[in-house]
Amino acid sequence: AQSVSQHNHHVILSEAASLELGCNYSYGGTVNLFWYVQYPGQHLQLLLKYFSGDPLVKGIKGFEAEFIKSKFSFNLRKPSVQWSDTAEYFCAVNAYGSGNTGKLIFGQGTTLQVKP
Amino acid sequence: KAGVTQTPRYLIKTRGQQVTLSCSPISGHRSVSWYQQTPGQGLQFLFEYFSETQRNKGNFPGRFSGRQFSNSRSEMNVSTLELGDSALYLCASSRTGELDEKLFFGSGTQLSVL
Repeated sequence: AQSVSQHNHHVILSEAASLELGCNYSYGGTVNLFWYVQYPGQHLQLLLKYFSGDPLVKGIKGFEAEFIKSKFSFNLRKPSVQWSDTAEYFCAVNAYGSGNTGKLIFGQGTTLQVKP
Repeated sequence: KAGVTQTPRYLIKTRGQQVTLSCSPISGHRSVSWYQQTPGQGLQFLFEYFSETQRNKGNFPGRFSGRQFSNSRSEMNVSTLELGDSALYLCASSRTGELDEKLFFGSGTQLSVL
């Protein structure tokens, strides 16, 4: 069965610190990879996605993620966080195969708290 | 354009009752997926509908069901509620539900079962 593991459940950083959130998935076939973010009081929204091509993808608000196929990883990074980045971050996967339409497998989420 | 709309925003029910949640997708979106979000289990996929047909289903008991109407609006129903059904239920829509599509999420319905 497919699964997604996020390494950190709660991360606290000061503004301007660098961020890296780990994400590993288990699935041997072709996958699409996503990072979603949920700001306080708001709905889940897409931060970035990887389907194919350049394994380094850039998203909104200065975030980027690198897909390393050999490590089954899709880590999220940002060089310098801001207080407004305080949110919950979810890594998600969907796998190519029948019966997977509209279905994302989510990690448990990482709560990021940025101190001003 | 309007986002994904879920009603009601909050619900309080007692064990044994049933509940119906509603989701209106973004105009033009024909795929609607439902997810359950809890602190312990995170976000778990319930089912996906496209053109009034359930195409995909997660590992939830038969007490959880859904349907989709011709205008793409969707409802999910939970019968014989249990305490463990307390959760945030999220609806997401996309044009076709294909694997490379981004999902647009609603704000959710917070269900509390007493």
